Amino acid sequence: DAKTTQPPSMDCAEGRAANLPCNHSTISGNEYVYWYRQIHSQGPQYIIHGLKNNETNEMASLIITEDRKSSTLILPHATLRDTAVYYCIVRFDKIIFGKGTRLHILP
Amino acid sequence: DTGVSQDPRHKITKRGQNVTFRCDPISEHNRLYWYRQTLGQGPEFLTYFQNEAQLEKSRLLSDRFSAERPKGSFSTLEIQRTEQGDSAMYLCASSPLWTGSGNTIYFGEGSWLTVV
Repeated sequence: DAKTTQPPSMDCAEGRAANLPCNHSTISGNEYVYWYRQIHSQGPQYIIHGLKNNETNEMASLIITEDRKSSTLILPHATLRDTAVYYCIVRFDKIIFGKGTRLHILP
Repeated sequence: DTGVSQDPRHKITKRGQNVTFRCDPISEHNRLYWYRQTLGQGPEFLTYFQNEAQLEKSRLLSDRFSAERPKGSFSTLEIQRTEQGDSAMYLCASSPLWTGSGNTIYFGEGSWLTVV
């Protein structure tokens, strides 16, 4: 079973930062937090991952709380192309997907 | 393009026929995964290989499903005696061998199966 909890849907205005929360209160010390997104009818796309420290790449930033029980994915300047289902995953080995958050970017 | 290739991308078959999907992972990736995704649902784990060894199979993988990775490179997923409930997108993914450093799993674009 998925070990994360995400809101089922969120809206964000185009050009604004999209902040997607995720709870993973049962995370183990050796499990990483991964984020993927899936645009309609395509395969899941890797976004970012982290263990303890905050991470940033060209797509997004990942903020992990000090107790590691929750995290936030930040898309700094959302565009219409960011409309997708975003999955937060706690992973040591294989990936188990939950239901994700459906992000709507509003023009 | 992640480098994980799946073929065919779309398949329409009649109920009762057998179908086979092929996955070519990223070169030198030791691990290969298969997932199934139905409309409106997240991907569901089916099975995974480490090189040619099949290490885990989900209970979703019924007796009609078989996956192989004979030489530790490409993999095939065969569905025998297809049923309408098998209609889904079948996703393949690959990753380097787990090193404890947070390696990434990369997904292909999926193979869509429609059973009529």
